[in-house]
Amino acid sequence: GAGVSQTPSNKVTEKGKYVELRCDPISGHTALYWYRQSLGQGPEFLIYFQGTGAADDSGLPNDRFFAVRPEGSVSTLKIQRTERGDSAVYLCASSLNRGAHEQYFGPGTRLTVT
Amino acid sequence: AQKITQTQPGMFVQEKEAVTLDCTYDTSDQSYGLFWYKQPSSGEMIFLIYQGSYDEQNATEGRYSLNFQKARKSANLVISASQLGDSAMYFCAMRAGTGRRALTFGSGTRLQVQP
Repeated sequence: GAGVSQTPSNKVTEKGKYVELRCDPISGHTALYWYRQSLGQGPEFLIYFQGTGAADDSGLPNDRFFAVRPEGSVSTLKIQRTERGDSAVYLCASSLNRGAHEQYFGPGTRLTVT
Repeated sequence: AQKITQTQPGMFVQEKEAVTLDCTYDTSDQSYGLFWYKQPSSGEMIFLIYQGSYDEQNATEGRYSLNFQKARKSANLVISASQLGDSAMYFCAMRAGTGRRALTFGSGTRLQVQP
């Protein structure tokens, strides 16, 4: 079956602009995660959704970052007033439910802020 | 707070040999899970193996095994019979804390398998 998909694969934006990154989880997966991976580092947790609600948003770095999952499937990560330090690969993952161990990752969106 | 430490930035191994990738962790939680992920140059994170803190036996998945030493807080990944396709970044990760689902990752080890 289809895996986690993310669009766009690459996004270049100017400092100060607004961007939206989209994640389509595996069908039927109720848990969805966003991570951010900077060059040469491991992924860092941003936010976790169980269904439509954000169950844990403790990893969001500041209030410029926001994410939604209105129907419990597709999720959008929104970044306002982008800064050069936001440049990274944004990874989305999903798992079958909150008890499942394995998180299935998408290919990521590479965001470059110029 | 949780922390994962991977002290080997890079490792080389000959094809068909076994290799051990080191991982140590720090948490005050009694219940936690340890994971290994592979990230090829394509960028996608691939789940390899999971070990629960209460599991008495070391986890194994095909050529992958996790050498879990709880007292030493280590969770090393052993890859047997290395293949050229094993060349990739490998990340150790942990999930700890009641109700917490987020993974904390280490900085990774780049493995290169030589023919």
